[in-house]
Amino acid sequence: EAGVAQSPRYKIIEKRQSVAFWCNPISGHATLYWYQQILGQGPKLLIQFQNNGVVDDSQLPKDRFSAERLKGVDSTLKIQPAKLEDSAVYLCASSLVSYTEQFFGPGTRLTVL
Amino acid sequence: AQKITQTQPGMFVQEKEAVTLDCTYDTSDQSYGLFWYKQPSSGEMIFLIYQGSYDEQNATEGRYSLNFQKARKSANLVISASQLGDSAMYFCAMRLNAGGTSYGKLTFGQGTILTVHP
Repeated sequence: EAGVAQSPRYKIIEKRQSVAFWCNPISGHATLYWYQQILGQGPKLLIQFQNNGVVDDSQLPKDRFSAERLKGVDSTLKIQPAKLEDSAVYLCASSLVSYTEQFFGPGTRLTVL
Repeated sequence: AQKITQTQPGMFVQEKEAVTLDCTYDTSDQSYGLFWYKQPSSGEMIFLIYQGSYDEQNATEGRYSLNFQKARKSANLVISASQLGDSAMYFCAMRLNAGGTSYGKLTFGQGTILTVHP
């Protein structure tokens, strides 16, 4: 069974630029999560989707971050414009439904200069 | 709101010895789950073990066991017979198991870096 796929694996941009990350969850998984992990900290949930609907985006900085999950499968997370403090690893995870085990992708490491 | 506290920034252990990584949690909900994940330097999050709040027995998975003390709100991870490959960051996490907007999401602690010495 293929795992959660993410791309790119690494991205370096300058502040005020835009960036987008892509996630392909495990086939059949209805729930998709985006977490932000700042160096030296645990991951923090940014947004949770159930199929293509948003369940929780309470910690998403909506003035600069946006996310969508078209057709309830793949998802993209966008930052526009990026700030220095957005430097982090962005982890995508999926689960069959919201109360089952979450499987994580390899993450995208973002560096904002 | 839920909170996870891991008070050990770093731990050292000799190969083949056992080690305990501490985790305390705070929640007013009755139905929740506690997880431990391993994060090697490559960055992926690897699920290790799960304990439900209503489980009467401590969870075990191979060399991993979870010492669950509900009254103390602690969920310590015990790794027996440490191996060099166990060197990694370890995270304790909580998930509410019923209802509300927090349903499903994991709340993580700050992590503990474990170093296994030969």
